[in-house]
Amino acid sequence: GAVVSQHPSRVICKSGTSVKIECRSLDFQATTMFWYRQFPKKSLMLMATSNEGSKATYEQGVEKDKFLINHASLTLSTLTVTSAHPEDSSFYICSASGDQPQHFGDGTRLSIL
Amino acid sequence: AQKITQTQPGMFVQEKEAVTLDCTYDTSDQSYGLFWYKQPSSGEMIFLIYQGSYDEQNATEGRYSLNFQKARKSANLVISASQLGDSAMYFCAMREDTNAGKSTFGDGTTLTVKP
Repeated sequence: GAVVSQHPSRVICKSGTSVKIECRSLDFQATTMFWYRQFPKKSLMLMATSNEGSKATYEQGVEKDKFLINHASLTLSTLTVTSAHPEDSSFYICSASGDQPQHFGDGTRLSIL
Repeated sequence: AQKITQTQPGMFVQEKEAVTLDCTYDTSDQSYGLFWYKQPSSGEMIFLIYQGSYDEQNATEGRYSLNFQKARKSANLVISASQLGDSAMYFCAMREDTNAGKSTFGDGTTLTVKP
């Protein structure tokens, strides 16, 4: 069964809305989670590393104020896309770092109208 | 230089035949892990197989095997007896011990299995 749960699986909302995506590790405690963005037919692009109890580490070029990450417990990390615009439409997927391998959530397809 | 290179954007294979998906990597670490994931059109990332840099034997998981050639820095995925359900995008990934647990992904190969 799934070891990482991601919710929601699909979101359609108006421009200017903020959207929160949850990533939960189900069978293990994850001190580190990763957030990726994926465009159609492209590879996964790492956006940020979410660290439990501390600030997230963002990759170069990713806006911290646009993509807010909170990792308040060992089993939950959230990504909030603030004031979303059509260019933020994408597939977002999280993963939790346990022992090998990385476990992925099922992803969230975000569509901003 | 790209850390993970998958040179085949698309591959076709006849049902029941074997197919090899190429992956080469670049690292100066002595300790690292190599992974293959399958991503069907629904989007979820499905772990297939893992090879550690110190593993002497090639990894196998059912119909999947990893042809690990350390000196050449290649980690090709072999799928035997292809099935229609194998049609998907396949990603090769590497996790280096010095890279804070992050994985680096290749650009992927889209595999289409023909009936």
